[in-house]
Amino acid sequence: DAGVIQSPRHEVTEMGQEVTLRCKPISGHNSLFWYRQTMMRGLELLIYFNNNVPIDDSGMPEDRFSAKMPNASFSTLKIQPSEPRDSAVYFCASTVAGGHYNEQFFGPGTRLTVL
Amino acid sequence: RKEVEQDPGPFNVPEGATVAFNCTYSNSASQSFFWYRQDCRKEPKLLMSVYSSGNEDGRFTAQLNRASQYISLLIRDSKLSDSATYLCVVARGAGNMLTFGGGTRLMVKP
Repeated sequence: DAGVIQSPRHEVTEMGQEVTLRCKPISGHNSLFWYRQTMMRGLELLIYFNNNVPIDDSGMPEDRFSAKMPNASFSTLKIQPSEPRDSAVYFCASTVAGGHYNEQFFGPGTRLTVL
Repeated sequence: RKEVEQDPGPFNVPEGATVAFNCTYSNSASQSFFWYRQDCRKEPKLLMSVYSSGNEDGRFTAQLNRASQYISLLIRDSKLSDSATYLCVVARGAGNMLTFGGGTRLMVKP
């Protein structure tokens, strides 16, 4: 049974370039989360979707970041233009939203390096 | 002040030792509490939920003190395979938004 799938696993790009990270949640999950992890700031929630609708994007650092979820099986996180301080590991996670907490399952992450 | 605070460690312990991690959270409206485990260069995975009554899963015991806004994790008879970073996690809101502590690194030595 496939878990959360992320691509690419590694991305090296130059400052100013557009970066697109992709995520396929676990089939049947209706909530999707994008996180960023750095040594300095730890793991931070960027945005989450419920039933493909963005619910809270207060963690998105600035307008250079955007996220979409066109359908239940696919989401993207785009950075345009990228900057060196965007270098981090970006995780996508999914779960089944309900009345009580359900475990979030994380993908393997995309390690982004912006030169 | 961070919303969830942990001692970053590292905690270096011999095999078989008992080790305890602590965590404090600042948002009294937090609803659910967890410990996640993250191996080096891997994704976080749920270790266990934390309940006010305390809960145990094998060698792992977690406790929550809502009055003090304090969460703990006790690992007994530690194994080499327990070496990892342990993340204290707090959930808030109907969407189960998670706030992670910075993590405590554990290194179990032979």
